[in-house]
Amino acid sequence: KNEVEQSPQNLTAQEGEFITINCSYSVGISALHWLQQHPGGGIVSLFMLSSGKKKHGRLIATINIQEKHSSLHITASHPRDSAVYICAVDGNTDKLIFGTGTRLQVFP
Amino acid sequence: KAGVTQTPRYLIKTRGQQVTLSCSPISGHRSVSWYQQTPGQGLQFLFEYFSETQRNKGNFPGRFSGRQFSNSRSEMNVSTLELGDSALYLCASSFLAGAETQYFGPGTRLLVL
Repeated sequence: KNEVEQSPQNLTAQEGEFITINCSYSVGISALHWLQQHPGGGIVSLFMLSSGKKKHGRLIATINIQEKHSSLHITASHPRDSAVYICAVDGNTDKLIFGTGTRLQVFP
Repeated sequence: KAGVTQTPRYLIKTRGQQVTLSCSPISGHRSVSWYQQTPGQGLQFLFEYFSETQRNKGNFPGRFSGRQFSNSRSEMNVSTLELGDSALYLCASSFLAGAETQYFGPGTRLLVL
């Protein structure tokens, strides 16, 4: 079993829909990261969080440390949000452990 | 501030050769981490350097090595290339080591024939 599991693996949505991507992990962590990777390969760090909730524009990330679970929400989705979203955790060994990613496609 | 830069962007090598990839972090950042991304294994941590010292290492064979210079620029070297080393190699920098927001470079796409 992977230490970091994401769901769903693939997601399609119509423009304007509310989107949720989930991440569960099985190790102790100091922080959790949400990353966005566009088709060209470039990765952008969206959030780093260790508790509670963070918001940036239309993106919201939450984490529940007790349940070892995090969610990434996108409100009013747009075709430019189409990308792979990757959850990664800073484990106790200080190495980033990555989920397999969620491929999101938003259609106009 | 300029972002993280990686050179070269694309590289084709043959089995048995060696390769050196370069990463220049954001100015002022002292931590550089390297990652390998393949379709089969996804993203995997290679190693992290902080202030010229290897701070952490992932589960890769000794053919994969790296170093960091006094200006925080980092290089990674892969010797005796294998077909399975074909991947996107990404580096990321952060101001400090540990649980910090990382800023990723565009990656070097390596193809081993």
